[in-house]
Amino acid sequence: KAGVTQTPRYLIKTRGQQVTLSCSPISGHRSVSWYQQTPGQGLQFLFEYFSETQRNKGNFPGRFSGRQFSNSRSEMNVSTLELGDSALYLCASSLEGLADLWNEQFFGPGTRLTVL
Amino acid sequence: QKEVEQNSGPLSVPEGAIASLNCTYSDRGSQSFFWYRQYSGKSPELIMSIYSNGDKEDGRFTAQLNKASQYVSLLIRDSQPSDSATYLCAVTILFSGGYNKLIFGAGTRLAVHP
Repeated sequence: KAGVTQTPRYLIKTRGQQVTLSCSPISGHRSVSWYQQTPGQGLQFLFEYFSETQRNKGNFPGRFSGRQFSNSRSEMNVSTLELGDSALYLCASSLEGLADLWNEQFFGPGTRLTVL
Repeated sequence: QKEVEQNSGPLSVPEGAIASLNCTYSDRGSQSFFWYRQYSGKSPELIMSIYSNGDKEDGRFTAQLNKASQYVSLLIRDSQPSDSATYLCAVTILFSGGYNKLIFGAGTRLAVHP
């Protein structure tokens, strides 16, 4: 079974621009969660999507948004980029998502975003 | 107090030894616990999940959970240089509304030297 895929793998943007990242979950998985990883803050939860609905959201500003399509693929958008948005953005898929306490999440390879 | 705490390390062990990684969490209601391994420049890889008190073994890995002490650990037997990585502890935190979050610790860097 193919794993989680993310595109693009690397991005370089300038301040003020916007960016869209894409994630395709493992076949059959209906939940996609997004995380930001930085050396200073570690892995931080952004949001979770399940059946095209955002179910949960972390403590990030409204510049960070996402959506999920009917095939469970998900996109994440960051508008008005700031230098501090430079990070590794990871998506993770699971069968039923975080509502199922015993659900395991599997990560994609990540998108490395650099904001200049 | 951080929700999930780990010693950042580095934890240095000789090849063939047992590496012991520890994690404490703050939410008594947490019910699911995971260990991820992350190599430098790569994404986290799930290596163990544990849900009930006691030990769970999978190959050279053993996860131990003690909910009363709010403590979860990972033992790696016969450590190999290829085990050198950052190990992330993750705990499901219950939130209101029935939706939960998976909170990660900062990770412990393990270095296995020949």
